[in-house]
Amino acid sequence: AQSVTQLGSHVSVSEGALVLLRCNYSSSVPPYLFWYVQYPNQGLQLLLKYTSAATLVKGINGFEAEFKKSETSFHLTKPSAHMSDAAEYFCAVNQGGSQGNLIFGKGTKLSVKP
Amino acid sequence: NAGVTQTPKFQVLKTGQSMTLQCAQDMNHEYMSWYRQDPGMGLRLIHYSVGAGITDQGEVPNGYNVSRSTTEDFPLRLLSAAPSQTSVYFCASTRQGSSGELFFGEGSRLTVL
Repeated sequence: AQSVTQLGSHVSVSEGALVLLRCNYSSSVPPYLFWYVQYPNQGLQLLLKYTSAATLVKGINGFEAEFKKSETSFHLTKPSAHMSDAAEYFCAVNQGGSQGNLIFGKGTKLSVKP
Repeated sequence: NAGVTQTPKFQVLKTGQSMTLQCAQDMNHEYMSWYRQDPGMGLRLIHYSVGAGITDQGEVPNGYNVSRSTTEDFPLRLLSAAPSQTSVYFCASTRQGSSGELFFGEGSRLTVL
């Protein structure tokens, strides 16, 4: 069965510092991988997705993620944090096939200190 | 452009009451699903549908019913609400044959007393 592990339920960085949110997955088949962001009292918004086209994926708001098959990882990074990046971030993996049954990690809440 | 619309946004129920959370999408997506979000648990799949007349169970289906009579609508029914069903519920949809990128509604916050 596929699963997603997000290391760190809460990450705190200073404004301008590097953001690194970790995600590891388990999958028996090449996966589709996603990062979603959730701002307070809102739904989830897609940040970026990996669909096997390129291992380094660029998303919205300056975020990017690198797919590393050997490490089964899909970590999310941003070179310089902004106060507006404070939110909860979810990594997700597609179970395979064309269905949208995503398996989500438990989420990482990002705080940005001024 | 409405996307995925959920109603109501907030609801308070007493134990044993029933209610329906509504979900509608205007993107002609074949696939629709319901997730619940609980603190520290991420999102867990309740039920999903790959088209009108077809539904299936997800990870946590107990206590919930769904039906899919049209492509646009996918209501979630709680027949006898329990405090354990206090949660935020999200409806999502996607196009079959896509990578599975889900489009989410804004959520429905349910409290069962």
